[in-house]
Parts: sequence; C-alpha cells; structure tokens
Amino acid sequence: GQQLNQSPQSMFIQEGEDVSMNCTSSSIFNTWLWYKQDPGEGPVLLIALYKAGELTSNGRLTAQFGITRKDSFLNISASIPSDVGIYFCAGQQSTNAGKSTFGDGTTLTVKP
Amino acid sequence: NAGVTQTPKFQVLKTGQSMTLQCAQDMNHNSMYWYRQDPGMGLRLIYYSASEGTTDKGEVPNGYNVSRLNKREFSLRLESAAPSQTSVYFCASSVYMSSIEQFFGPGTRLTVL
Repeated sequence: GQQLNQSPQSMFIQEGEDVSMNCTSSSIFNTWLWYKQDPGEGPVLLIALYKAGELTSNGRLTAQFGITRKDSFLNISASIPSDVGIYFCAGQQSTNAGKSTFGDGTTLTVKP
Repeated sequence: NAGVTQTPKFQVLKTGQSMTLQCAQDMNHNSMYWYRQDPGMGLRLIYYSASEGTTDKGEVPNGYNVSRLNKREFSLRLESAAPSQTSVYFCASSVYMSSIEQFFGPGTRLTVL
C-alpha cells in the first residue's frame, strides 16, 4: 500500500526552540493533513492543506503543501511544554474514496 | 457533546478469547473507522463504514469483524485474539468519507497474552 515517510522519528528540544518535521511519499496526494496526539488520547486535526505550495498557519504552527504534491512540512515556533506529543501527517487522494494514509509519527519531547 | 466514545479503555485477553470493542459518536456523522496503532507506526485502517448499512475492509482487516449497528455505533470484534493483535485501537468518525477531518476517540489499549 501507500507509505508516508515521516521524519524525524523523535525530537528532544528545549522549551523556546523551533521545530521542523516533514513527510514524504512516492505518491501524489490532493490533501495533506497534520494531526497531534496527546499522551493517552486520540489524534486531533491541527492543519489541513488543499493545494500545492499552500502555506497555512494555526497559531505557532505553520504547515506547507509541497510543490510536487508528494511532501509536506510542519514547523512549530517557540515550543512550549504542552507541545509534547506525537505529530502525524496524513494524505488523502480523491481516487481513494477519501481514506487517509497516515505517517508513522514524530514524537516530540520538550524540556522546560 | 461527548464526540467519539470508546469502551473499554483497557483490556487484557488470553490467546483465543473473543471480545468486542464498542464505539459510539453523537455528531450525526455518516462515516466511521477503526484503526490500530502500534509502537513507532502510524495509524493503520482496519475497517470502515462509509454510511449506515455498509462496511468495507481497510489495510489490515484479517482477524477482525465489524458491525455498523446504527448511525451512531460501530463495533469491532476479535473472534479469536492473537498476540499480534496487541495494540491501541482507535475509532474515528467523519461527516462523509470525503470529509477532510476525522474525529478520534480516546482509544482502547488491548493486550493479548
């Protein structure tokens, strides 16, 4: 099946630092999504991207839909302890009945 | 609104035992999903129900069955549990299959000994 390669697998950073993570695929996606999973909870949608080159922000989070439509990037600025969790990218293709393909996740730890 | 609820939160089974994981949503969503999450891996789709009365296999359906009991409820059954089914199971729902956002429940942590 399709695969999304997400990197890095984990990050350990100091509070206040900026964070970057990315997601790549060999397949083209029409929509890119970024979810966050808090410890012990289910994922929650952070940002949705709908067209190539799109740059969208949600507070301290900024995500980009890659020009090739095969990748996406998420940046978190000035990290805080509550940013801890697992960040998942997901892609959707219109030809796949709307089903989302999820990356393996990036686990973020923020040291106060 | 409770959103998506799942029961139980935790379960330990012995190999060969059966059980049903329950999921309900109160958002009047048409589509519902079951995923499993294994350490270091993303969410893998087990089964989904595009609308009431329909169910379809996802990426990893073997060893599972589902029932879309009504618009609100979508259950996942393990007929004969195996250690390979030790995982965290998430139920999710969306307005339609084509909807961008899926809403997830809190998960059921299942251990099969």
